[in-house]
Amino acid sequence: NAGVTQTPKFQVLKTGQSMTLQCAQDMNHEYMSWYRQDPGMGLRLIHYSVGAGITDQGEVPNGYNVSRSTTEDFPLRLLSAAPSQTSVYFCASKGRQGVNTQYFGPGTRLTVL
Amino acid sequence: AQSVTQLGSHVSVSEGALVLLRCNYSSSVPPYLFWYVQYPNQGLQLLLKYTSAATLVKGINGFEAEFKKSETSFHLTKPSAHMRDAAEYFCAVTEGAAGNKLTFGGGTRVLVKP
Repeated sequence: NAGVTQTPKFQVLKTGQSMTLQCAQDMNHEYMSWYRQDPGMGLRLIHYSVGAGITDQGEVPNGYNVSRSTTEDFPLRLLSAAPSQTSVYFCASKGRQGVNTQYFGPGTRLTVL
Repeated sequence: AQSVTQLGSHVSVSEGALVLLRCNYSSSVPPYLFWYVQYPNQGLQLLLKYTSAATLVKGINGFEAEFKKSETSFHLTKPSAHMRDAAEYFCAVTEGAAGNKLTFGGGTRVLVKP
């Protein structure tokens, strides 16, 4: 049981490049989400999904796309990276029932030059 | 809309001293509250959560927090700090039993002095 995994751990992009941050969980959790962490701002919700085929926007969705084709995977796509997207990105998952704990992945540190 | 304020972005304590991290929340409905800890270069780990049962919640590693509705607070305490408690701590709130969307405070970084 690996929990929530994220790849890559580190990435450097140039402005305008695209990339996909991968997230996978093996706990059969329905709910998955992406957060970004910036100094002094805590974590902010980018996008979330309550199940395969269903996604919705969080607090800071601009510049990011997501899809959920399987229960296990929830990739985050940056179509045209900007320096403002330099951040640490965390994926999380939780089960459907009740106020359950959200389990976080180890994070991806992204730098956009 | 829900929001969380953590007073103090940095806290320094001596080993063996009380750790007190402050969290105030704003929510239009009864909230569910969480404290997470983040050790250097790692993801977030749940310390404890309040889900409308007992107002005093005990968590891992000797931490506890008390929900005070009248003060809209959920402060985190530990009677005696250890060096291993050096980390960043985040308070978070969610509305509704589904607990899907977390709103985080800005975080408090704890430094433990020997």
